[in-house]
Amino acid sequence: SQTIHQWPATLVQPVGSPLSLECTVEGTSNPNLYWYRQAAGRGLQLLFYSVGIGQISSEVPQNLSASRPQDRQFILSSKKLLLSDSGFYLCAWGVEGGPYEQFFGPGTRLTVL
Amino acid sequence: AQTVTQSQPEMSVQEAETVTLSCTYDTSESDYYLFWYKQPPSRQMILVIRQEAYKQQNATENRFSVNFQKAAKSFSLKISDSQLGDAAMYFCAYRSALDNQGGKLIFGQGTELSVKP
Repeated sequence: SQTIHQWPATLVQPVGSPLSLECTVEGTSNPNLYWYRQAAGRGLQLLFYSVGIGQISSEVPQNLSASRPQDRQFILSSKKLLLSDSGFYLCAWGVEGGPYEQFFGPGTRLTVL
Repeated sequence: AQTVTQSQPEMSVQEAETVTLSCTYDTSESDYYLFWYKQPPSRQMILVIRQEAYKQQNATENRFSVNFQKAAKSFSLKISDSQLGDAAMYFCAYRSALDNQGGKLIFGQGTELSVKP
C-alpha cells in the first residue's frame, strides 16, 4: 500500500532563517507531487506541483521554492523565512490515470517568530 | 480560472440527524472531478467522496452522499445519521480533467461542522 511521510511534524524558526521541509512517498512510482499551505485552519493554497523528477510548477510567487531530486521525494525550501510563511504545510501525491483524488501527508506546522 | 465557493463557514447538527454542506464552483470546462475532503482536529486530510462530472448518478459512500447539479455548478454533501466523529472541517475541491493541469486541486474555504450529542 502507498504511504506518504512528512518531516518535521512541527518547526519553530526565526525570521530570516532557512527552511527545508521534506516529503517522501512509498508504494507508487512516478507520482504527481504537490505542496499546499493552509493558513489559520482555512482553505488550502497550492504552492508547487511536480509531474516528474526535476519538473516544478509554481502557482504562487513568493520566497519559497521546491525541488524534486528523486521520483518520490519532494522538498520545500526557503533561504530566508518571513513571518507570513507561518502555517500548516501539506504534501500530497496523485496519479494521472486515476484514481483522481490526491492523498495527503500528515503535515508540518511551521511557526516563524 | 476555476473557483470553488463554500458559503457556510460553520454548520451544526444534532447527533443522528442529517446535515447538508453546500459547495458551488465556476468552470468553463465540461469534464472534471469533484471531491469532498474531511479534516478532523488531527489535520489529516481524508477523502470522503468523489464525483466524476460525466456521471449523472450522484456518488454515495455509506452515510455520505452528494447532490451533483452540473448545470447549476453545485456539489453539496449530505451526511446522514450524523456521528460525533463526523465533527471536522469539510473541504470541497475541483480537479480539471485536462492533462496539462497537473492534476492539481482547487479547494473551497471549508465548512466547520460541529456535532451536538
